Amino acid sequence: DVKVTQSSRYLVKRTGEKVFLECVQDMDHENMFWYRQDPGLGLRLIYFSYDVKMKEKGDIPEGYSVSREKKERFSLILESASTNQTSMYLCASSSLAGGHYGYTFGSGTRLTVV
Amino acid sequence: QQPVQSPQAVILREGEDAVINCSSSKALYSVHWYRQKHGEAPVFLMILLKGGEQKGHEKISASFNEKKQQSSLYLTASQLSYSGTYFCGTEIYAGNNRKLIWGLGTSLAVNP
Repeated sequence: DVKVTQSSRYLVKRTGEKVFLECVQDMDHENMFWYRQDPGLGLRLIYFSYDVKMKEKGDIPEGYSVSREKKERFSLILESASTNQTSMYLCASSSLAGGHYGYTFGSGTRLTVV
Repeated sequence: QQPVQSPQAVILREGEDAVINCSSSKALYSVHWYRQKHGEAPVFLMILLKGGEQKGHEKISASFNEKKQQSSLYLTASQLSYSGTYFCGTEIYAGNNRKLIWGLGTSLAVNP
């Protein structure tokens, strides 16, 4: 069964900490995405990557950075966590072949910043 | 840019039908549909690529009117397992690329 795996299901961090959220996919997908999901705001794109070492800002990149050193791994970094970054974070991947294939999502990381 | 989904919420009895609509103000390349159950990741249902295209997945099907920039998801003879939040993602042209924009979701509850 193909998978997108996020390293943590729940995470509690203190304000000001540097936080790493890891995402690994085993489908050899070219495209990877990081979203945050908040009630009433839906899915908002933070960063995405169409290739190794490539990254593009999404709609809400402020306070975040990403790293993609290998095709299968896409990391989201919160440089200095703040309480307004408390959210559900979802990683997704998709194939450049596109066409009939949609996004595959990870199970999410619920991050609480205290 | 964000597509508008309607209704925002719907409650059904098992066996009833429902239609969820997704409307965009932008020209669309494709429309995606996903279902998310509480506490779980969104799961891909189907993608519609061409104007007027219809696709089916079990008793769930969808249509895509490219000219109207609208898509509808049809749930027939609903089952308890259909409960969840349904999202449409509209793929729009963004310069030389395409971008997926998500609706806010439609909450569907199927009761016995």
